[in-house]
Parts: sequence; C-alpha cells; structure tokens
Amino acid sequence: DGGITQSPKYLFRKEGQNVTLSCEQNLNHDAMYWYRQDPGQGLRLIYYSQIVNDFQKGDIAEGYSVSREKKESFPLTVTSAQKNPTAFYLCASSMEAVYSNQPQHFGDGTRLSIL
Amino acid sequence: GNSVTQMEGPVTLSEEAFLTINCTYTATGYPSLFWYVQYPGEGLQLLLKATKADDKGSNKGFEATYRKETTSFHLEKGSVQVSDSAVYFCALSDQTGGFKTIFGAGTRLFVKA
Repeated sequence: DGGITQSPKYLFRKEGQNVTLSCEQNLNHDAMYWYRQDPGQGLRLIYYSQIVNDFQKGDIAEGYSVSREKKESFPLTVTSAQKNPTAFYLCASSMEAVYSNQPQHFGDGTRLSIL
Repeated sequence: GNSVTQMEGPVTLSEEAFLTINCTYTATGYPSLFWYVQYPGEGLQLLLKATKADDKGSNKGFEATYRKETTSFHLEKGSVQVSDSAVYFCALSDQTGGFKTIFGAGTRLFVKA
C-alpha cells in the first residue's frame, strides 16, 4: 500500500539537543510538507519542497531545518534554536504543488516532547 | 490573504443526530475547498473536496457544497455515529496564494451513544 511513514511516533528532546524526524513516502509525489500542530490549533506550515534538492520556508521555519536529497524522503531537524518544540509534527505530500485541487496525504505524525 | 474560519468546538451530539460544521473562507482567486478528518493520534485524511462553485463533495455520508456567493463550505451529515468522533478541518488551496493549503483551526466532534 502506498502512503507516508513518519518515525518515530514519540520523541523526546533534551535541552540543547537537535533531533531529526523522519518522513518517507512511496506515493511518487513531487511535493512534500512539514506542519506543526499545537493543541486546539490548526496546522502551521514549517517547510515545503516542490522538487528534489529544493525547499522553501513556510510560516514558522525558525529553529527548524530540512533536506530533500531524494524524492521519497523529507526529514525535519528540530534544532536547539527552537525554544518551544513540544508539538505534534505532521508530514504530508501531494502529487504536484502547482495544481490547487490536489489534496494532501498525511502521515500519522510524530509527537515531540521536552525532557 | 487567504483564510479559513470554522465554528469553534467542541460539538457534542447524540448518535443519529444531524451534524453541521460551519466553514467560511476568504480567497483572492478561485480556490479548491477541502474537508479533512483527524482521528485521535493520527494524521489528517481527506474526507471530501470541491473544486468549483456549486460543486458538492460527498463521502461516507458527509456532504459539503461550495457556495461562492456566501463563501462557505459547510460540512453536513444526516445521522452521526460514535465512530465519527474526530477533529474536522476545513481547508482551501488557491493558485493565487501559491501552492499553499490554508487550514482552519479544526472543530472537535464528540458523538455520544
């Protein structure tokens, strides 16, 4: 079955530590996204990528970094510069970024907490 | 800029009750509209979509009609079940806003047996 796999499901970060969240898709989608979800709030876009080796900042990119070396993979690093990293992180993909009627497919998320 | 406004939750209903979750939007172009559902501990799943005015999206007994004159895309279901308990997100995507999908804040639905 095609889909998006996020790992780990739960992650704990110590102060001053960088952590990396994995996102892999086998849908052959060009575009991939990272969102942050806080309790009672909608999704906020962190980074997105429309093609391999290219990515852009979303609305809340500070304290985060990404790479897109392969079409299937779009890992997110939460750096120590992100002072409030506790949240639910969702990865998504869509067939093509340029057509507005393409829905996004989501992984099951990673819940990040501070130790 | 583009935005989506949903009714605040939580919404609590008894099984077999009628459901309406209101969604209105602001967009500069001609957006596509979506409803996504999120079950506890999971990511979002597409529930239905509509890509032009007067289109009706439907899936699993849920329906929503794209109303351009009222800039609305309200979600309805005639008879809810306990298994419909989840968070529902209205969203839009508009080419004049780039590729970005704008999500509403979500509305939590509780259905009691």
